[in-house]
Amino acid sequence: QLQLQESGPGLVKPSETLSLTCTVSGGSIRSSSYYWGWIRQPPGEGLEWIGSIYYSGSTYYNPSLKSRVTISVDTSKKQFSLKLSSVTAADTAVYYCARMSREVDYWGQGTLVTVSS
Amino acid sequence: QPVLTQPPSASASLGASVTLTCTLSSGYSNYKVDWYQQRPGKGPRFVMRVGTGGIVGSKGDGIPDRFTVLGSGLNRFLTIKNIQEEDESDYHCGTDHGTGSSFVYVFGGGTKVTVL
Repeated sequence: QLQLQESGPGLVKPSETLSLTCTVSGGSIRSSSYYWGWIRQPPGEGLEWIGSIYYSGSTYYNPSLKSRVTISVDTSKKQFSLKLSSVTAADTAVYYCARMSREVDYWGQGTLVTVSS
Repeated sequence: QPVLTQPPSASASLGASVTLTCTLSSGYSNYKVDWYQQRPGKGPRFVMRVGTGGIVGSKGDGIPDRFTVLGSGLNRFLTIKNIQEEDESDYHCGTDHGTGSSFVYVFGGGTKVTVL
């Protein structure tokens, strides 16, 4: 059974860079059928797609976040990562990593990241 | 890119049926939509994908037969029959847009379903 696990700091200071890693287990990260993505959910709000990456390194970003987002993949470690720069309180959210074909068919459990000084 | 619109809330009595609507913005009537269930305090899980011809592909793991979908025009519907307490959740719809060099995924605002 495929499992995704987010890891990273739960507290980030304003103007700094949020960094999260997702570790994939129980399946291959090198599948040609899937993208690997990041999705977030501010407290009490809806879901927002941040971006996705193919195992080859091709990336796709939400236009509203594109200037601040970098997603990368390390197939040898079966991990992919998110960096979000110049964070503000508006970036406080539960961050999910996920597997996507067209739909999002597997989700990590999510990790709360709070932006606060 | 498409915009997805969902009513913020819906309710149904235990054992009754409820139909949730996800409406695509104009010009995207041929798009498929994905439904997700998010129970309180939990992460989302995939329910199923729907187009104008009905379900596309398979339901998500563990989704009961009580969950069905239909599509018509710009609307994509998720119906829960014989609703149970465990179905009280937020339901989100989403869709992908673009191929090849460009890809985005958009979500609707979500509908909170209350079981009375």
